[in-house]
Amino acid sequence: DTGVSQDPRHKITKRGQNVTFRCDPISEHNRLYWYRQTLGQGPEFLTYFQNEAQLEKSRLLSDRFSAERPKGSFSTLEIQRTEQGDSAMYLCASSSRDSGSYEQYFGPGTRLTVT
Amino acid sequence: AQSVTQLDSQVPVFEEAPVELRCNYSSSVSVYLFWYVQYPNQGLQLLLKYLSGSTLVKGINGFEAEFNKSQTSFHLRKPSVHISDTAEYFCAVSPNTGGFKTIFGAGTRLFVKA
Repeated sequence: DTGVSQDPRHKITKRGQNVTFRCDPISEHNRLYWYRQTLGQGPEFLTYFQNEAQLEKSRLLSDRFSAERPKGSFSTLEIQRTEQGDSAMYLCASSSRDSGSYEQYFGPGTRLTVT
Repeated sequence: AQSVTQLDSQVPVFEEAPVELRCNYSSSVSVYLFWYVQYPNQGLQLLLKYLSGSTLVKGINGFEAEFNKSQTSFHLRKPSVHISDTAEYFCAVSPNTGGFKTIFGAGTRLFVKA
């Protein structure tokens, strides 16, 4: 068990560019979550997948944001036409199919800086 | 909808002293409750959780928390802290109606001084 991994760990981009982040969950986990965390705040829920199905999406996720989880394995989060307000840490987490668990395992995050 | 309020943004405390980190929540449905810890330059990890049963739950590293339904609180305690407990602590709630959306508080920075 290598834990949840995220790539890249850091991304600097110019305003208006598109960026894509990848998350690889723990292999047997069927649930995957994306969060955004800004300085001094807790993680804000963005979206949630069960297998390949995107079951819930926050109102925070504007039309510029899209997430996918093809084949129910890794997931990507894309931000189009980035804005300075998108600068944040983007966290991915996964959890087990065991419905009694509810524990989420977090990755190290991808820090996005939009200049 | 759910919300979480962590009443202290920073808590400085001397080593070996007791500590309490306060968390209140608001929800129209029953919830599961969690405390996560984030050590410097590391990802979040679960400290403890309340799903049902005994309202006093014990977690890792000597931490415990008590669920108080009438006061909608889930305060975290440790009788004697160590320097290594210096970290950011997040209280979180998730509806127990089958959804998995988790709402986090803003965090409390615990700073343990020698």
